[in-house]
Amino acid sequence: GENVEQHPSTLSVQEGDSAVIKCTYSDSASNYFPWYKQELGKRPQLIIDIRSNVGEKKDQRIAVTLNKTAKHFSLHITETQPEDSAVYFCAASFRGGADGLTFGKGTHLIIQP
Amino acid sequence: NAGVTQTPKFQVLKTGQSMTLQCAQDMNHNSMYWYRQDPGMGLRLIYYSASEGTTDKGEVPNGYNVSRLNKREFSLRLESAAPSQTSVYFCAGRDTNYGYTFGSGTRLTVV
Repeated sequence: GENVEQHPSTLSVQEGDSAVIKCTYSDSASNYFPWYKQELGKRPQLIIDIRSNVGEKKDQRIAVTLNKTAKHFSLHITETQPEDSAVYFCAASFRGGADGLTFGKGTHLIIQP
Repeated sequence: NAGVTQTPKFQVLKTGQSMTLQCAQDMNHNSMYWYRQDPGMGLRLIYYSASEGTTDKGEVPNGYNVSRLNKREFSLRLESAAPSQTSVYFCAGRDTNYGYTFGSGTRLTVV
């Protein structure tokens, strides 16, 4: 089955700086790659996703890039703000997640004031 | 519009007891999922239901059963709880654009 590795496990950045979280996946058939944000004690929430026919997608301060050849994808957050502090999970799936998403183990992003 | 609703929010069980976690959605999702979340482990798929009347095993199904009662409801049952099942359980539904909507979670402790 699919295996997703996520790095780093903890990332501390100064407010206003950029943050990058990286994930690799094992199944070349995977075609859907979402990112979820989870605040402490809350449910995971979808923040951005990308499909395998696209190399990059941007939504305001958040962007995701996908390299299918290398089987890795990354989340980029620019101009970080205190409310960006949370745990971020990447995921990968075949069939757009219909059979479930395989998640990475998460990155705890800490925004230092 | 409540989204995905889980009950209960918290539960403490003794080893060997049984219980059912309830999940209901009003978002017209065809597909529903049960995940467990443990510290440092991310979210792992227990069971899923691609459509009403079907269920399939995920990555960690042992010790659990599920029922897709109708399109709205998807329950998770622990027949004989074990300490290893102490976890936070999330139910989710999948929309037509592939995004998952998660419920607020059930924090289960087995002593």
